[in-house]
Amino acid sequence: DAGVTQSPTHLIKTRGQHVTLRCSPISGHKSVSWYQQVLGQGPQFIFQYYEKEERGRGNFPDRFSARQFPNYSSELNVNALLLGDSALYLCASSLNSLSQETQYFGPGTRLLVL
Amino acid sequence: KQEVTQIPAALSVPEGENLVLNCSFTDSAIYNLQWFRQDPGKGLTSLLLIQSSQREQTSGRLNASLDKSSGRSTLYIAASQPGDSATYLCAVSNNDMRFGAGTRLTVKP
Repeated sequence: DAGVTQSPTHLIKTRGQHVTLRCSPISGHKSVSWYQQVLGQGPQFIFQYYEKEERGRGNFPDRFSARQFPNYSSELNVNALLLGDSALYLCASSLNSLSQETQYFGPGTRLLVL
Repeated sequence: KQEVTQIPAALSVPEGENLVLNCSFTDSAIYNLQWFRQDPGKGLTSLLLIQSSQREQTSGRLNASLDKSSGRSTLYIAASQPGDSATYLCAVSNNDMRFGAGTRLTVKP
């Protein structure tokens, strides 16, 4: 079975642009979470979606938004990009709720904002 | 606000040595604690998950312990190998998942 997949793998954008990152969870997993990992730091929680509804949101500005589709795949959108948005964006899936289960992470999308 | 700290930030050991990585957290109201491995520029690989009601978990050469009351967890790696070189992250789950900054481990042949 395929693990969590993310696309694209790398992306270069300029300040002010917007970006859409995509994630496909492990087959059968209904929960998808998004994390931002800045170089040298641990990942920071952005969003969790479960059964297509937002279940959790981290301390990120409204420029960040996400959604989950009926097939449980997910998109993360970031508007009005800033230099500080440069990071590795990780997607993780789990079978059900976040709090009780192992999170399986994808390889990430590396975003560079110039 | 939950804060997770990992000590040391970096560790270099010769091959074959046993080693311990430390993780501490400020709020003991957690559902579970998870240890991950991250290779440079890559995603995270789950190593061990300890539920809040458990004291430890083992997988091969890895053993993780959890002392929720004191807000501490350790990851013990036995007979380290060069292939163990990576960054090791711990994360605690409550309403969301909070990560430490990681310990960068280098195992020298």
